[in-house]
Amino acid sequence: GAGVSQSPSNKVTEKGKDVELRCDPISGHTALYWYRQSLGQGLEFLIYFQGNSAPDKSGLPSDRFSAERTGGSVSTLTIQRTQQEDSAVYLCASSLDSGVKTQYFGPGTRLLVL
Amino acid sequence: DQQVKQNSPSLSVQEGRISILNCDYTNSMFDYFLWYKKYPAEGPTFLISISSIKDKNEDGRFTVFLNKSAKHLSLHIVPSQPGDSAVYFCATQRGGSEKLVFGKGTKLTVNP
Repeated sequence: GAGVSQSPSNKVTEKGKDVELRCDPISGHTALYWYRQSLGQGLEFLIYFQGNSAPDKSGLPSDRFSAERTGGSVSTLTIQRTQQEDSAVYLCASSLDSGVKTQYFGPGTRLLVL
Repeated sequence: DQQVKQNSPSLSVQEGRISILNCDYTNSMFDYFLWYKKYPAEGPTFLISISSIKDKNEDGRFTVFLNKSAKHLSLHIVPSQPGDSAVYFCATQRGGSEKLVFGKGTKLTVNP
């Protein structure tokens, strides 16, 4: 079966522009997560969606970051007025249920802000 | 302040030998621990996990050991194979929280 997919795989943008990153979780997975990995760092939690519950946004680094999950499936992470420090790999993961710990990751979107 | 530390950024071993990757954590509330493997240009792949009620979990060539009193876990790979060459991330989870807290990773190179 298909794994988690993300698009675009690479994105180069100019400072100040907005970007949208997309995640398609594994079919049937109710939990969806966004992480980012900056150069030389571990993965940093950003936001978590579970079903129809209010998302856990505790990891979003600033109000320039937002995410939506429509219809309990596809998610979009939006970064407004991008800054150079936003350059990172943005990873999406999904899991079957919040009680099941294993998260399955997509290949990531490599964002470069010039 | 890093809650999960992988103090060795890299490790090199010979094929057939044992690879030991280490991870230390600071928060005693963490109760679930995972190892992920990551190849370049790919997302992390789940490898093995352990709950805090256990001190060892084994899956084929991979064994994870947990020492709760020392807040330390390790991943043993034996025998190591060249295909094991990747970056290994330790991740932890606290009961009631869905987010994973990751270390910075250890790059393992297994030489033929």
